[in-house]
Amino acid sequence: DGGITQSPKYLFRKEGQNVTLSCEQNLNHDAMYWYRQDPGQGLRLIYYSQIVNDFQKGDIAEGYSVSREKKESFPLTVTSAQKNPTAFYLCASSISVSTEAFFGQGTRLTVV
Amino acid sequence: DAKTTQPPSMDCAEGRAANLPCNHSTISGNEYVYWYRQIHSQGPQYIIHGLKNNETNEMASLIITEDRKSSTLILPHATLRDTAVYYCIVRVEKFHSGGSNYKLTFGKGTLLTVNP
Repeated sequence: DGGITQSPKYLFRKEGQNVTLSCEQNLNHDAMYWYRQDPGQGLRLIYYSQIVNDFQKGDIAEGYSVSREKKESFPLTVTSAQKNPTAFYLCASSISVSTEAFFGQGTRLTVV
Repeated sequence: DAKTTQPPSMDCAEGRAANLPCNHSTISGNEYVYWYRQIHSQGPQYIIHGLKNNETNEMASLIITEDRKSSTLILPHATLRDTAVYYCIVRVEKFHSGGSNYKLTFGKGTLLTVNP
C-alpha cells in the first residue's frame, strides 16, 4: 500500500538524550514536512523540504534538525537543546506546491 | 499570511448536515482555502480545497463567498465517525531559490461533535 509511515508510534526518552523520529513515504512526493502538536493546540511547522538535499526552517525549528538524503525519507532529530520535547509529532508529504498534504499517524514522544 | 477564524466547537445531530464556518477576511487573490480534519490522536486528513468556485467531492462540499472572505464546509449527512477537529487553512506560497515552497499553517480548528 502507498502511504506515509511514521515510527515508532510511542517513544520514551530520558532528558538530555537526542532522539530521531522516522518518516518514510512511498508516494513519490517531492515535498515533506514535520509538525509538532501540543495538547489542545493546532499544528506548528518545524521543518519542511521541497526536494532532496534541501530543507527549510519552519516556525519552531530551534532544538530540531533534519536531513533529506533520499526522496522517500525525512528523519527528524529532537536534540537536547529542545526545551520542551514532549509532544505529538506529525510528518506529511505532498506531490508539489500545488497539492494537498498527506499525513502520517504521528509519533508521541515523551521525555522523562 | 492570511489568518483564519473558526468557532472553537460545534455540535451536530447524526444524519443532519454539519455546516462549519471559517472567516479569512485577509485572504489574497492567489491563496486557496483548504480543509483538513483530525480525529483524536491521528494525523490530519485532507478533505477539500478551493480558490473561488464552490467545490464538492465524496466527503464534503466547500462554499466560498463571492468576496472570498469566508467559507463553509458542509458535511451533508454527518455520522458519529465525523467527530473530529476541523481545520480551515489558507495556503501560503513563498518563493525560495527559484522554486515555490508550500506551507500549511494550522490554527486550533473547530471541534465538531456529532451526537446520536
